[in-house]
Amino acid sequence: NAGVTQTPKFQVLKTGQSMTLQCAQDMNHEYMSWYRQDPGMGLRLIHYSVGAGITDQGEVPNGYNVSRSTTEDFPLRLLSAAPSQTSVYFCASRQQGGTGNTIYFGEGSWLTVV
Amino acid sequence: GQQVMQIPQYQHVQEGEDFTTYCNSSTTLSNIQWYKQRPGGHPVFLIQLVKSGEVKKQKRLTFQFGEAKKNSSLHITATQTTDVGTYFCAVPTGGGNKLTFGTGTQLKVEL
Repeated sequence: NAGVTQTPKFQVLKTGQSMTLQCAQDMNHEYMSWYRQDPGMGLRLIHYSVGAGITDQGEVPNGYNVSRSTTEDFPLRLLSAAPSQTSVYFCASRQQGGTGNTIYFGEGSWLTVV
Repeated sequence: GQQVMQIPQYQHVQEGEDFTTYCNSSTTLSNIQWYKQRPGGHPVFLIQLVKSGEVKKQKRLTFQFGEAKKNSSLHITATQTTDVGTYFCAVPTGGGNKLTFGTGTQLKVEL
């Protein structure tokens, strides 16, 4: 099992550029989410989805878009990158139906905006 | 929104010493989860606590959930270099569809 796969692992962007972080899971999980991690601030939820066609905002959604056209994929789009979006991004998934289910994280995407 | 305070932010210990990190919430929690993140790695689920006063053990790790379900602790007995990393607590918010993480406790173990 691949689990949760994120690409790319590393990316450098110029301010104003756009890009998409890809996330795919092969565990048939309904719930998927994106977090960003900054030093001293833990993990903050950006967007999440409880199933195909359904997305919602997390704690820090500004500057990011998501879509969920399939159960497997949950891409995160930066429309116009800003230096404040320099961070480590983690995609995560779990079964829906309660937070009692283990969340599985991808290995992370290191993004630098210059 | 739901806030979870986690202390301490950093902890340096000598190998063999004990370590404890604490998580505190202003509201009663339905459950709390603990994660470990190795340097350069991703968070990995350790355990979930659900019941008031619950205590669970995993080898040298002891997890406790407070009687009022507002706080929790993770205690490591006789730390080893393999325990190095950041430990996070996480609690459900937003009707259970969100998981809010504490700020984490970074543990360094020196030989």
